[in-house]
Amino acid sequence: AAGVIQSPRHLIKEKRETATLKCYPIPRHDTVYWYQQGPGQDPQFLISFYEKMQSDKGSIPDRFSAQQFSDYHSELNMSSLELGDSALYFCASSLADEQYFGPGTRLTVT
Amino acid sequence: AQKITQTQPGMFVQEKEAVTLDCTYDTSDPSYGLFWYKQPSSGEMIFLIYQGSYDQQNATEGRYSLNFQKARKSANLVISASQLGDSAMYFCAILIGDNAGNMLTFGGGTRLMVKP
Repeated sequence: AAGVIQSPRHLIKEKRETATLKCYPIPRHDTVYWYQQGPGQDPQFLISFYEKMQSDKGSIPDRFSAQQFSDYHSELNMSSLELGDSALYFCASSLADEQYFGPGTRLTVT
Repeated sequence: AQKITQTQPGMFVQEKEAVTLDCTYDTSDPSYGLFWYKQPSSGEMIFLIYQGSYDQQNATEGRYSLNFQKARKSANLVISASQLGDSAMYFCAILIGDNAGNMLTFGGGTRLMVKP
């Protein structure tokens, strides 16, 4: 069965640079979520979209923005990167309650 | 705000034995869902099992079962016949309400190590 696709899988950026993470949800899933998992921590919710509209917002810094496109894929844009942004970024998608996670993008900021 | 607690930072279990991973939650909302995810060292988050607050029966998925005790606000994961491949981090999570886009709130996780 098709799963959530995230790209890239690994990304290395320098401080103050920008990064764009992409997420392709499971076909027919109408809701996309972004989570950030720091080293040794549990995932923290950033933002979600339902039918291309932002539906919920968590602890997402103002330097980050996200959107969901007409084909339901989503992008997380991160600017002015800081060392503390180094983390595993998950995208998840759902049609009902169960959220299925992608493999994650590991971002390292140097 | 809802809260979810996993009191066991790490656990050992002998291969082929059963193990219970604890999870308690705190919410006043009558409608919620409880999830368990497995995160192996490779980093991916694998959905294991789901229990809705209105479900009468405990959820089961193969070797995984959820011991849901609503009055105690606990949702423990039971893994039967442990396998070496079960060694991983396990996260309990709660989703409040029934609106699309609702976020998961995770517990701190339990690292399970299966001994041969």
